[in-house]
Amino acid sequence: DIQMTQSPSSLSASVGDRVTITCRANQGVSDYVAWFQQKPGKSPKPLIYAASSLQSGVPSRFSGSGSGTDFTLTISSLQPEDFATYYCQQYTSYPLTFGGGTKVEIK
Amino acid sequence: QVQLVESGGGVVPPGRSLRLSCVASGFTFGTYAFYWVRQAPGKGLEWVAVISFDGSNKYYADSVKGRFTISRDSSKNTLYLQMNSLRVEDTAVYYCAREWNGGDYWGQGTLVTVSS
Repeated sequence: DIQMTQSPSSLSASVGDRVTITCRANQGVSDYVAWFQQKPGKSPKPLIYAASSLQSGVPSRFSGSGSGTDFTLTISSLQPEDFATYYCQQYTSYPLTFGGGTKVEIK
Repeated sequence: QVQLVESGGGVVPPGRSLRLSCVASGFTFGTYAFYWVRQAPGKGLEWVAVISFDGSNKYYADSVKGRFTISRDSSKNTLYLQMNSLRVEDTAVYYCAREWNGGDYWGQGTLVTVSS
């Protein structure tokens, strides 16, 4: 199985900050990586697919990059509604696997 | 608009069975693969199973293989998850998702609690 290691597991940031979350796969996954945002009591919301493509309706302050084994989700200017938990996922092969999550909290 | 609505969750004792449903609307059901993902209380996301667009291929997580069965009924635009021999560790919110680019639409989830 492909393991996705996400870091950090949590971070504190202020509104307006630039935030970067990383995800590393233990083997190459090409660009078959998605990122999701989840708020308490809600289902995951898709943000990014194919490592760097924005899902429809997602604000442009979100961006993704990477290929192979190393991937990054960046929020260019953190907004109040962005405080949530973020997950990466590889979908190059089954079982699909998720990173452990990064909780973004208010500083 | 695209909608996925899960149902069928509840409280069951260990060893019993439960069937979850996920009704899809707003798109051509038979064109897409679907998967189930679960999330135990306070934990991360765990992929459970996937079914191909025509139902001919199915894959399962090792943790549920032999106990859970994924299926679909295109006449009802519905995805199912039959869960047998339930264990306490199966307690989670179960989500269905349309498998396109990793999962582009998700349902709201249904809670399954396995407890004596």
